[in-house]
Amino acid sequence: GESVGLHLPTLSVQEGDNSIINCAYSNSASDYFIWYKQESGKGPQFIIDIRSNMDKRQGQRVTVLLNKTVKHLSLQIAATQPGDSAVYFCAGNSGGSNYKLTFGKGTLLTVNP
Amino acid sequence: DTAVSQTPKYLVTQMGNDKSIKCEQNLGHDTMYWYKQDSKKFLKIMFSYNNKELIINETVPNRFSPKSPDKAHLNLHINSLELGDSAVYFCASSQGDGFPKFGPGTRLTVT
Repeated sequence: GESVGLHLPTLSVQEGDNSIINCAYSNSASDYFIWYKQESGKGPQFIIDIRSNMDKRQGQRVTVLLNKTVKHLSLQIAATQPGDSAVYFCAGNSGGSNYKLTFGKGTLLTVNP
Repeated sequence: DTAVSQTPKYLVTQMGNDKSIKCEQNLGHDTMYWYKQDSKKFLKIMFSYNNKELIINETVPNRFSPKSPDKAHLNLHINSLELGDSAVYFCASSQGDGFPKFGPGTRLTVT
């Protein structure tokens, strides 16, 4: 079945540095991946998504890379700010269905001033 | 504000009680969801409704019963609450193949 996992449960960076959060998936049936940001006490918030026919997608200060060969995706945050401190989740749709997302475990990003 | 809203935000109750969590979205979305987040932050889908019809029902105890009176509302009723039901429950909604937008969550504590 589909599973999505993260390499590191926690990541601590200095303000202004770039952050890279990694995610591995096991099932190639996912054709759609999303990164969510969850701040303390709040619901997950959409950051960026990528379709499986893409290798890279850029947003504002964020870039998602997808490597289908090794079933790996990453979220890069440029010039990390204290407001970026949160738990980050990757999620993939299961079995091609847009109605069911399988979430990874989450990475806690802490930005030190 | 267009959003997904949930009530209550906090719910503390004793084992064996029955409780409900309400969810409303004013985004005009056709699909609504319930997700459960455990103490380790793991998020897992429970139910999904599309145009008031149940389309996803994960392996959830039948003590959990979702109800969708209309496309804008999806409530979650839980019977005979157990300690293991303590978690944060998130409602979400989406339109077409769009990404789910999540509500603020309801923290349920069963004592």
